[in-house]
Amino acid sequence: SQTIHQWPATLVQPVGSPLSLECTVEGTSNPNLYWYRQAAGRGLQLLFYSVGIGQISSEVPQNLSASRPQDRQFILSSKKLLLSDSGFYLCAWAGTPGHEQYFGPGTRLTVT
Amino acid sequence: ILNVEQSPQSLHVQEGDSTNFTCSFPSSNFYALHWYRWETAKSPEALFVMTLNGDEKKKGRISATLNTKEGYSYLYIKGSQPEDSATYLCASPYSLSWNDMRFGAGTRLTVKP
Repeated sequence: SQTIHQWPATLVQPVGSPLSLECTVEGTSNPNLYWYRQAAGRGLQLLFYSVGIGQISSEVPQNLSASRPQDRQFILSSKKLLLSDSGFYLCAWAGTPGHEQYFGPGTRLTVT
Repeated sequence: ILNVEQSPQSLHVQEGDSTNFTCSFPSSNFYALHWYRWETAKSPEALFVMTLNGDEKKKGRISATLNTKEGYSYLYIKGSQPEDSATYLCASPYSLSWNDMRFGAGTRLTVKP
């Protein structure tokens, strides 16, 4: 069966520090991968999606970036965090675009 | 840019009540409509994916309908139970890539025993 992992589960970082969140999927190949953020009091916002290794589409201009170095690995990064980057970050995968997405456990990021 | 709206924002019902809430989306450039349930301390879980006008889907006591011409979907819960308490999200892709999902802000359902 397929599983999706995210780490870390929680993170507290000072403003201006770098960020690296990792997401891995097991039990499937060539998944479509997604990064979402839920800011306080807001809905889920799509940040990036990827249809294959090295292929990243950005949905929202910001100081975050994403990379997909391996088929089942998706990384969210920042060189310098802002207070507004605080939120709950979810990674998801889908077998086919438009089909149901399967979400990871999420990372709670607090930027202080 | 596609705006997906959900109403009401929150809902409190008694155990055994039936309830429904709405997801609205622009009827032009429709590709698909997803419903997810997000329980506290868990990850969102897919309920339904609908693509055709008039689609009706059912899973246990939960069902959903889709009207793409007028741009809305209803989610129904029959005989609500405390374990149905969750935030219900709808989402829709806004282009043919099918990957660029726009989520509504959700309806927070609380079922009181």
